[in-house]
Amino acid sequence: DVKVTQSSRYLVKRTGEKVFLECVQDMDHENMFWYRQDPGLGLRLIYFSYDVKMKEKGDIPEGYSVSREKKERFSLILESASTNQTSMYLCASSSGGYEPQHFGDGTRLSIL
Amino acid sequence: DQQVKQNSPSLSVQEGRISILNCDYTNSMFDYFLWYKKYPAEGPTFLISISSIKDKNEDGRFTVFLNKSAKHLSLHIVPSQPGDSAVYFCATPWTGGTSYGKLTFGQGTILTVHP
Repeated sequence: DVKVTQSSRYLVKRTGEKVFLECVQDMDHENMFWYRQDPGLGLRLIYFSYDVKMKEKGDIPEGYSVSREKKERFSLILESASTNQTSMYLCASSSGGYEPQHFGDGTRLSIL
Repeated sequence: DQQVKQNSPSLSVQEGRISILNCDYTNSMFDYFLWYKKYPAEGPTFLISISSIKDKNEDGRFTVFLNKSAKHLSLHIVPSQPGDSAVYFCATPWTGGTSYGKLTFGQGTILTVHP
């Protein structure tokens, strides 16, 4: 069974801090994704990676960066956290194409 | 521009009755759709999918119908159970050219099934 693990369930940070969200998958998937979920907006793609060190912007990349140094790990970085980045962050992985993505349980991030 | 739309933010249904969740899309090139279910404090889990070469796909209590001419799909749950109470998202992996499996999601519909 695919396991996607996000390092924190809940996180509280202050504006201006640099924030790291970590995600690890155990199924040797090529593709990994970061989404944020906000009420009424569904899930919106921030960044995704299709290989180690390869990344592409999603629909809302502003204020974020990512890192994929190893195939199983994909990190989301908030360079200088702002209150409008308070959200639920979801990591996912897939083998690509039309295969379903497998999600972690999410990180509820609050920026004060 | 929302390419996949779920126009009903919420739906309330009695246990044992049918739940129908709707999803509309804008691009006739979309050829595959998935439904995900999400409980609070958990990640979305894949429920059922449908390819545009079909107009129906069934898995137990869950059936998805696709109407290509109307650019509309629906998820039917029969009979509904209280454990089905969750947020339901429709999604499509087609974003033009190479997609690497990127998904575009609808806004979600909160389903509440009352005992």
